Amino acid sequence: EVQLVESGENLVQPGGSLRLSCTASGFSFSSYAMSWVRQAPGQGLEWVSSINGRGDTTLYADSVKGRITISRDNSANTVSLQMNSLRVEDTAIYYCARGGRFDRFRDWGQGTLVTVSS
Amino acid sequence: DIQMTQSPSSLSASVGDRVTITCRASQGVSTYLNWYQQRPGKAPQLLIYVASSLQSGVPSRFSGSGSGTDFTLIISSLQPEDFATYYCQQSYSPPLTFGGGTKVEIK
Repeated sequence: EVQLVESGENLVQPGGSLRLSCTASGFSFSSYAMSWVRQAPGQGLEWVSSINGRGDTTLYADSVKGRITISRDNSANTVSLQMNSLRVEDTAIYYCARGGRFDRFRDWGQGTLVTVSS
Repeated sequence: DIQMTQSPSSLSASVGDRVTITCRASQGVSTYLNWYQQRPGKAPQLLIYVASSLQSGVPSRFSGSGSGTDFTLIISSLQPEDFATYYCQQSYSPPLTFGGGTKVEIK
């Protein structure tokens, strides 16, 4: 059974930083791209970032480019999102998902709420 | 960026109804188009991938079609558990954009 479990800080002040992690199990982790998708309260889905299986190609949404870094550790089956210079508008549920470009988000984590507020 | 436009944004339907949701891309995405269902308070779930392939475990009342810029999701006979929000998403060109969603409500 595929499982994706997100973890990380939940509350941060504007301008602050936090790191989200997602631990995967149930599939050959290094064979798949991994992505983060977010959903602001009451809003639709927004793709944030993707990383390929080897970890040498990354993609970012313009809204987070320069502020967010995606990385992965294939030995630990984890994908992480380092978020800096956070803004109030980054407040959202962040989902980890298996898949990326030319693929589908075939599995999703339960999501973790990030709140950016003073 | 490729914009994904879904219509309608919401609809009311009864159990047993046939429901059609459309998704239009601002430029061609071939068949790199996926559909997701999201129930309230839950993570999205994949329904259809590459426009018309049914994800394993998804009931056959769900079907998808289209290519290029115009796509359709059909629920042939709406069931109580289908009341949810549906999103299309293109995986052809980054940013990997989603449509705005279609909320299917009980009439």
